[in-house]
Amino acid sequence: AQRVTQPEKLLSVFKGAPVELKCNYSYSGSPELFWYVQYSRQRLQLLLRHISRESIKGFTADLNKGETSFHLKKPFAQEEDSAMYYCALIPGSGNTGKLIFGQGTTLQVKP
Amino acid sequence: DTGVSQNPRHKITKRGQNVTFRCDPISEHNRLYWYRQTLGQGPEFLTYFQNEAQLEKSRLLSDRFSAERPKGSFSTLEIQRTEQGDSAMYLCASSLGQAKVYEQYFGPGTRLTVT
Repeated sequence: AQRVTQPEKLLSVFKGAPVELKCNYSYSGSPELFWYVQYSRQRLQLLLRHISRESIKGFTADLNKGETSFHLKKPFAQEEDSAMYYCALIPGSGNTGKLIFGQGTTLQVKP
Repeated sequence: DTGVSQNPRHKITKRGQNVTFRCDPISEHNRLYWYRQTLGQGPEFLTYFQNEAQLEKSRLLSDRFSAERPKGSFSTLEIQRTEQGDSAMYLCASSLGQAKVYEQYFGPGTRLTVT
């Protein structure tokens, strides 16, 4: 079965602290993995894609196929990072664009 | 605003009534997706279109649900004989072509409450 698990509903850190949002997936093939973000009163939007290996807004995510994980990391959290973060995968070759989302983690960055 | 738009934003209906939601994607996007999101959960895939063709439907989409995209532009999602379990946020997203299907632009959603 295709599944994405985000074990933490809420992650609260102080400004300047490191952040790691956990994501584990279950999929027999090679999925494409993504992080989507929803800031307060804004729409859900793509943050980053594992294939691109980019750093977006200081966030990076490494795909670990052995542990079937795709954790999102940032060395120094900022208050503007407070948002809901969703890990998602597209199964198969990715042609469908059918996103399978995790339950989401709320990141709260305290001043 | 050139983003994805959805109407209405909120809908309250009584159990057993039919409801219809509309989604207007970004104009050059040929892929259109519907998702449903319940409280505390991530969005769940319902169905998607490539132009006017509906290419996949989730098992979540019972016979009471139907979606159309008649001219390959806007889409409608209809729920017949609504049930309380249909209460959710219904999200529409669009993307550009096959190479960028992962970069989906979401609308603000339609919140359905079935009383």
